[in-house]
Amino acid sequence: GAVVSQHPSRVICKSGTSVKIECRSLDFQATTMFWYRQFPKKSLMLMATSNEGSKATYEQGVEKDKFLINHASLTLSTLTVTSAHPEDSSFYICSARSHRDEQYFGPGTRLTVT
Amino acid sequence: GQNIDQPTEMTATEGAIVQINCTYQTSGFNGLFWYQQHAGEAPTFLSYNVLDGLEEKGRFSSFLSRSKGYSYLLLKELQMKDSASYLCAAVSSGSARQLTFGSGTQLTVLP
Repeated sequence: GAVVSQHPSRVICKSGTSVKIECRSLDFQATTMFWYRQFPKKSLMLMATSNEGSKATYEQGVEKDKFLINHASLTLSTLTVTSAHPEDSSFYICSARSHRDEQYFGPGTRLTVT
Repeated sequence: GQNIDQPTEMTATEGAIVQINCTYQTSGFNGLFWYQQHAGEAPTFLSYNVLDGLEEKGRFSSFLSRSKGYSYLLLKELQMKDSASYLCAAVSSGSARQLTFGSGTQLTVLP
């Protein structure tokens, strides 16, 4: 299957700092990528849809000024958590949609804010 | 909106067959995915059903009935490594093809 990478896999940051997470589709072009958040033993919650060359579409309740999304190319989307707080600690997962409508997930990023 | 229901937990024995059900109610529907997720890892793709019927892929099969808003994932010849969470996800009919996930079914395979 298609490969999607995420970097970093784990990050620990101090409260008030910003963290950038990268999501790359390695062997296919993805005009659409998605960012999810997952709490322990819970399902994935869609945060936003990232469209190449245009603004991201955020789900209700997700602060777009806090979670900045940039989809600068057909293989790269970034999520920046600005002014992170401990409640932002979570598992963040991206996915990329192939031309066949299948979604392939990255390995996830474990964010811990101290 | 979308509402996806699946059992929270299931237990089965190694070598057995288990069926994980998923029902959905959606305002727009364009197919259904099944994913497997091990603890601390991202989901991995298992199947994608758009049309009614059964899709078989090795030990795993997935079934869809659009008229009933129902799907199931069938796992045969269970192995210990199949212990994981299984996520059912409906695809929206919008251009973005967003996924709405069920809460996941935690399957435990016992020896």
